[in-house]
Amino acid sequence: EAAVTQSPRNKVAVTGGKVTLSCNQTNNHNNMYWYRQDTGHGLRLIHYSYGAGSTEKGDIPDGYKASRPSQENFSLILELATPSQTSVYFCASGDFGGTYAEQFFGPGTRLTVL
Amino acid sequence: GQGVEQPDNLMSVEGTFARVNCTYSTSGFNGLSWYQQREGHAPVFLSYVVLDGLKDSGHFSTFLSRSNGYSYLLLTELQIKDSASYLCAVRGGSNYQLIWGSGTKLIIKP
Repeated sequence: EAAVTQSPRNKVAVTGGKVTLSCNQTNNHNNMYWYRQDTGHGLRLIHYSYGAGSTEKGDIPDGYKASRPSQENFSLILELATPSQTSVYFCASGDFGGTYAEQFFGPGTRLTVL
Repeated sequence: GQGVEQPDNLMSVEGTFARVNCTYSTSGFNGLSWYQQREGHAPVFLSYVVLDGLKDSGHFSTFLSRSNGYSYLLLTELQIKDSASYLCAVRGGSNYQLIWGSGTKLIIKP
């Protein structure tokens, strides 16, 4: 049973439109993350959260907002989508400790902005 | 600047071994992780190292040298199903989040 799920799995949006990507986790992790993955780049951190009500800017937050209404849910919002935001987006959850650092990833959302 | 570097591609032969290299330069270091990512799928955690030396996990081992900013993932007794991209990620930087390499695509030939 998948512990991190994302919806939608695929999305086509128009330039200037609003897009919301949703993520749900059943791992009971405090930390959740949104990444994008593009060819030639590693995973790049957009926003992350330490728990319900918390959102932090990652390395490439411009053009994105995040919302963490509960322990389980973390959303990524593109208020005005642009073609440069065409990418594969991954959500992950995971808590760091002394000897553990695993992040659990959702299946990804492929977003195309026309 | 800071970053994590990996070779783009690596080719090896079934039944032999492959060593995937990773070099990093980050402000702060709090561990290095390796992930496997198959085409069209999400990354899957393999290993986490924070101390220098070799960590043996059976089918694969991971090595870390903090003074050299270097790690490798060693896969032995390769099988065709080990063909995938292998991602290196360092926990560091100003916010101690993961900084990812772009991954090494490992191709295994029969």
